[in-house]
Amino acid sequence: ETGVTQTPRHLVMGMTNKKSLKCEQHLGHNAMYWYKQSAKKPLELMFVYNFKEQTENNSVPSRFSPECPNSSHLFLHLHTLQPEDSALYLCASSQDVGSEAFFGQGTRLTVV
Amino acid sequence: GQNIDQPTEMTATEGAIVQINCTYQTSGFNGLFWYQQHAGEAPTFLSYNVLDGLEEKGRFSSFLSRSKGYSYLLLKELQMKDSASYLCASGSGGYNKLIFGAGTRLAVHP
Repeated sequence: ETGVTQTPRHLVMGMTNKKSLKCEQHLGHNAMYWYKQSAKKPLELMFVYNFKEQTENNSVPSRFSPECPNSSHLFLHLHTLQPEDSALYLCASSQDVGSEAFFGQGTRLTVV
Repeated sequence: GQNIDQPTEMTATEGAIVQINCTYQTSGFNGLFWYQQHAGEAPTFLSYNVLDGLEEKGRFSSFLSRSKGYSYLLLKELQMKDSASYLCASGSGGYNKLIFGAGTRLAVHP
């Protein structure tokens, strides 16, 4: 069983669609993160949740809406995306400051 | 501002040693991480340095100099399976917020 599980692994959506990405961690960690990885660009931090509370929103457009119902689950709701939003979206979790982040396998999103 | 620099690509020979450098400028620095990412897969943790000096872990070692804003990852006895991207990341602020570099794509050839 992997520590951080993301679904779906691949998603193709139109610009008018609404979809959600799901992340679940089985590691008992307190912090969860959404990262965006575009081709030839660094991993970009999008959101940070600690103990279910959002502690960071890295100037992400409102068409991306995170939800963290508990410390084990994290969602990313997508609405009216643009083609440039096509990327690999990675979820991660960590115990606390100074400990490593564990990443899920990511969702490869294509916006058409 | 936040900035992480590392070379884009490197090549090396199987069995050799390679050093991947990283320089960083981040606020609220709380450690330097190295991750390995194979194509199409999630990044996996390799090492963490918070104090100056060398941390050794098997074939991989990582070095940090906080005064110089500099780190390197040293890979010994290279194997073909070490062909991957190596991501340098600076821990910034609380809650292990990571600022990543663009990654160094390492190709190991026979």
